[in-house]
Amino acid sequence: KNEVEQSPQNLTAQEGEFITINCSYSVGISALHWLQQHPGGGIVSLFMLSSGKKKHGRLIATINIQEKHSSLHITASHPRDSAVYICAAPYGGSQGNLIFGKGTKLSVKP
Amino acid sequence: DGGITQSPKYLFRKEGQNVTLSCEQNLNHDAMYWYRQDPGQGLRLIYYSQIVNDFQKGDIAEGYSVSREKKESFPLTVTSAQKNPTAFYLCASSMGVPSYNEQFFGPGTRLTVL
Repeated sequence: KNEVEQSPQNLTAQEGEFITINCSYSVGISALHWLQQHPGGGIVSLFMLSSGKKKHGRLIATINIQEKHSSLHITASHPRDSAVYICAAPYGGSQGNLIFGKGTKLSVKP
Repeated sequence: DGGITQSPKYLFRKEGQNVTLSCEQNLNHDAMYWYRQDPGQGLRLIYYSQIVNDFQKGDIAEGYSVSREKKESFPLTVTSAQKNPTAFYLCASSMGVPSYNEQFFGPGTRLTVL
């Protein structure tokens, strides 16, 4: 069964803390997506990565293809980072449609 | 500004009525997708279209129908055959297949069937 598992499900942090969200997947993939869903429901694509590491501002995404694992890190977390973070992986076939994790709900307290 | 629009943001319907959710994009993307999101679950693919006048069923297509007559538009109809239609519906688009292309999402439509 193709699966994408995220941990933790819920995460509460104090402002300024370093945050790590993990994602494991069961299929061989060409790229993994990290998404952010705001409280209003809108989703923004944060990263798409197939190897190594990508950085955008205070966000860093890493992937280990051999171990089928990816992490999303947030440095110097801020209350505006509070959102649901979702990872998604293509589950094969010519279409490469995405299978999504259930998301990690992050709450950063001031 | 390029992007994806979905309307309306909130939609209420009586049980047994068909309802059509709008999705429009001006990103010149070939591929468009409809997802459903339920509490505690990951997004699930309802239908997708890689090109105009062609679309394919996703994982949970039963009770839904779509059309792709224009590149910019991919409306989703929730029919009375859908047993549990109350959910949050998200439309997305990409240049090509998700294996190699970022997906862009609309703001979503929250459908409540009374």
